Amino acid sequence: AQTVTQSQPEMSVQEAETVTLSCTYDTSENNYYLFWYKQPPSRQMILVIRQEAYKQQNATENRFSVNFQKAAKSFSLKISDSQLGDTAMYFCAFMKTGTYKYIFGTGTRLKVLA
Amino acid sequence: GAGVSQSPSNKVTEKGKDVELRCDPISGHTALYWYRQRLGQGLEFLIYFQGNSAPDKSGLPSDRFSAERTGESVSTLTIQRTQQEDSAVYLCASSPNGLQGLYYTFGSGTRLTVV
Repeated sequence: AQTVTQSQPEMSVQEAETVTLSCTYDTSENNYYLFWYKQPPSRQMILVIRQEAYKQQNATENRFSVNFQKAAKSFSLKISDSQLGDTAMYFCAFMKTGTYKYIFGTGTRLKVLA
Repeated sequence: GAGVSQSPSNKVTEKGKDVELRCDPISGHTALYWYRQRLGQGLEFLIYFQGNSAPDKSGLPSDRFSAERTGESVSTLTIQRTQQEDSAVYLCASSPNGLQGLYYTFGSGTRLTVV
């Protein structure tokens, strides 16, 4: 069975600074995807970034980038130039390729300070 | 519709009562999913619909939980004889089909509080 672990329940960062959120996972699968989702107070889950396991290149989306270490089963999210609107819960998630079911971590609450 | 719509947004119910939670997926999305998010936890998978059939109900925690879907449209999650441990946010999502789980769109959830 797959597991996803987020060991930082809460983090804070000053506006315009950079912060890194950690995620580790465990799987015996070789083909899968990893995700970071943002959940603001509105509760809607918003996809931040997605990484295909077969790709060695780390995914980036504007201010968001990941550090994907497949052998170490690590998938951290870096947020650059943090903005007040980045304040939210962030969830790391795993999905086996060709399936539909997410396995989520327990989340990291990020607060961006003015 | 433009997004996944869930109703009610919040629901407070007395222990032992039945509740129904509704999900309206994106038009044309054949796959629909329900997840539960307990306080301080990640999302837990409950059930997957492809059209109006549910090939995967493996996440339903007990026989008090059931769900149905009308065609490729609205789904209802029913919890009978609610217990305090059922208090959670129930999130619905849809995708073009079950093999494209990558392309989930989530709703904003229903926060259920059992008192």
